[in-house]
Amino acid sequence: NAGVTQTPKFQVLKTGQSMTLQCAQDMNHEYMSWYRQDPGMGLRLIHYSVGAGITDQGEVPNGYNVSRSTTEDFPLRLLSAAPSQTSVYFCASRDRGTYEQYFGPGTRLTVT
Amino acid sequence: AQSVAQPEDQVNVAEGNPLTVKCTYSVSGNPYLFWYVQYPNRGLQFLLKYITGDNLVKGSYGFEAEFNKSQTSFHLKKPSALVSDSALYFCAVRDMNNNAGNMLTFGGGTRLMVKP
Repeated sequence: NAGVTQTPKFQVLKTGQSMTLQCAQDMNHEYMSWYRQDPGMGLRLIHYSVGAGITDQGEVPNGYNVSRSTTEDFPLRLLSAAPSQTSVYFCASRDRGTYEQYFGPGTRLTVT
Repeated sequence: AQSVAQPEDQVNVAEGNPLTVKCTYSVSGNPYLFWYVQYPNRGLQFLLKYITGDNLVKGSYGFEAEFNKSQTSFHLKKPSALVSDSALYFCAVRDMNNNAGNMLTFGGGTRLMVKP
């Protein structure tokens, strides 16, 4: 199993540009989520999904959209990038019956 | 609302000495508690969890954590630190009675530095 994969690893955007961060998992997990990691603030939940076709907002959803058309994929869209979105983004998944989350390697995003 | 506090930004310990990384939490109901570790340029890896049962939970790489309900704490411990334990450690909590997507709330992280 590849586990949770994320692309790209690094990205630089200009203010106002849009892009999609890709996340995929091959463990057939129902639950997937996106976090951002900023120094001293731990991980903050952006959006999450409890199954295909079902998504909901987390703690810091503004400026981001998600969709979940398949169990495997959970892309995160930045609609109009802002410098405040400079961060490291992690995708995670877990099975319904457990609370152990599996994290991807992260995407380091810089918005100039 | 649920929250987690890790009061120390950094913990320094000599190799071979015991280590403790502190975590306190706040939930309205009963907590599920977790520790994750992050090595440089990597995602988070699960170390251990407390759901119910014994207050002392054993996890990966020789780590353990003690759940203390009266002090609302879940400190991470290891009897003898290794240089390879140097990493960023995160405590996380989920309120069993909160169905907000069953997702976790993370603390701000504690950097553990183990010196030879």
